[in-house]
Amino acid sequence: DAKTTQPTSMDCAEGRAANLPCNHSTISGNEYVYWYRQIHSQGPQYIIHGLKNNETNEMASLIITEDRKSSTLILPHATLRDTAVYYCIVRVRDGSNSGYALNFGKGTSLLVTP
Amino acid sequence: GAGVSQSPRYKVAKRGQDVALRCDPISGHVSLFWYQQALGQGPEFLTYFQNEAQLDKSGLPSDRFFAERPEGSVSTLKIQRTQQEDSAVYLCASSLVRKNSPLHFGNGTRLTVT
Repeated sequence: DAKTTQPTSMDCAEGRAANLPCNHSTISGNEYVYWYRQIHSQGPQYIIHGLKNNETNEMASLIITEDRKSSTLILPHATLRDTAVYYCIVRVRDGSNSGYALNFGKGTSLLVTP
Repeated sequence: GAGVSQSPRYKVAKRGQDVALRCDPISGHVSLFWYQQALGQGPEFLTYFQNEAQLDKSGLPSDRFFAERPEGSVSTLKIQRTQQEDSAVYLCASSLVRKNSPLHFGNGTRLTVT
């Protein structure tokens, strides 16, 4: 799987958009970009995923560059409850016996401040 | 509906004791994963089941770690002769088997070996 690079930490003011970047310059054509987050003392929570088109759901938007070497997760109106570690993961599209297991890195620790 | 359920939530073991951690996946989810998360790190893949078959155990750190899913539903992760370095949060996740089905995580079992 391609490796990802994320900033260690970021701050965002409550009510503002949080834009979390991720570099995945070695991504290959059969790998999706996934985002998860982990709030303290909880398991990781799925947010969104995409291949090459931008995606939006009720939680967030995912913007993937045309060359697919980087992406940005956007939380449009951050709240205090969005404080968490955010993981950007690339995942093989055509899985093998690994069941498409996710390989987490260290993620970005997002702090939303009042 | 019910999510992934893990028990116990916390476990304290003396070094050398055996422990068993339980995971109840989401009903109908064929795929089941175990992860280990050390303090301040992202989750690390341990093993993967498709139904009752353990298809990948490449992440198990030693032969003291053993996982089973005999009826293709509930899974147990067993650690024999626990060591202090086994102290971590153990996360279970389940998903549908089709590709790009998101993994759904439980809140984990925090194991402390004293």
